[in-house]
Amino acid sequence: GDQVEQSPSALSLHEGTDSALRCNFTTTMRSVQWFRQNSRGSLISLFYLASGTKENGRLKSAFDSKERRYSTLHIRDAQLEDSGTYFCAADSGYNKLTFGKGTVLLVSP
Amino acid sequence: DTTVKQNPRYKLARVGKPVNLICSQTMNHDTMYWYQKKPNQAPKLLLFYYDKILNREADTFEKFQSSRPNNSFCSLYIGSAGLEYSAMYLCASSRVDRGQDTQYFGPGTRLLVL
Repeated sequence: GDQVEQSPSALSLHEGTDSALRCNFTTTMRSVQWFRQNSRGSLISLFYLASGTKENGRLKSAFDSKERRYSTLHIRDAQLEDSGTYFCAADSGYNKLTFGKGTVLLVSP
Repeated sequence: DTTVKQNPRYKLARVGKPVNLICSQTMNHDTMYWYQKKPNQAPKLLLFYYDKILNREADTFEKFQSSRPNNSFCSLYIGSAGLEYSAMYLCASSRVDRGQDTQYFGPGTRLLVL
C-alpha cells in the first residue's frame, strides 16, 4: 500500500478561515517536505522538517517527532492566492521522497 | 542561488523516437533526482544519482536511462517514447553528504508524446 496518505484530497475554504492538511505515514520517516504546485506544474518547496515545527507567514508545519508517522500543514487566514495543489513528501531514510497524492485547495471570497 | 534548471520546458515527441531531457544545478549538490508526474497523480521517483552512482527504481528500471557527466548536469533519456511517457518530468537536487536533505525542484519539462 501507499506509504504516504494525504488528506483531504480536496478542500474548499472561505477567505480568512483556517484549516489543516495532514499526511500519515505507514512507516517511520526521517523527514518530510511540503510543496505547493504552481500554475505551471512546478513544485515550490514550502517546508523541510526533520522534527518539530516551522512557520512561515500564515503557514505552519509540524512533524511528529516522537513516532515520526505524521505531519501537518496549517493554513491561517486563507487568501485567494493560497489556492493550488499541495503535496507532502516523506523520506524513509534513503533520500528518496515518497509523495502523497496531493490536496487541491480552493479559497473563495 | 537555489535554482535547478531544466531544458527544454516543453517537448513534443513522436512515438518510437528518443527523448533527452536536461537538468542542471550550480549548488554543488551531490545528488540529483528525476521524478515523473502525471495529472492527478503523485510525483513518482524514477531514478537518482548520488555522486556518480546511478540508482534506478525497480519498476522503471528498463524504461529510463540517465547520465551525469559532471556534478552540475544530469540527463534523462528515453530510448523509444511511448504514449504512456507523456507527463511532467521534474528534476531535483540535494546535498546529502552534509545532511541538507531538502530537495530543490526545477520547473519541470512537460513531455507530450504523439
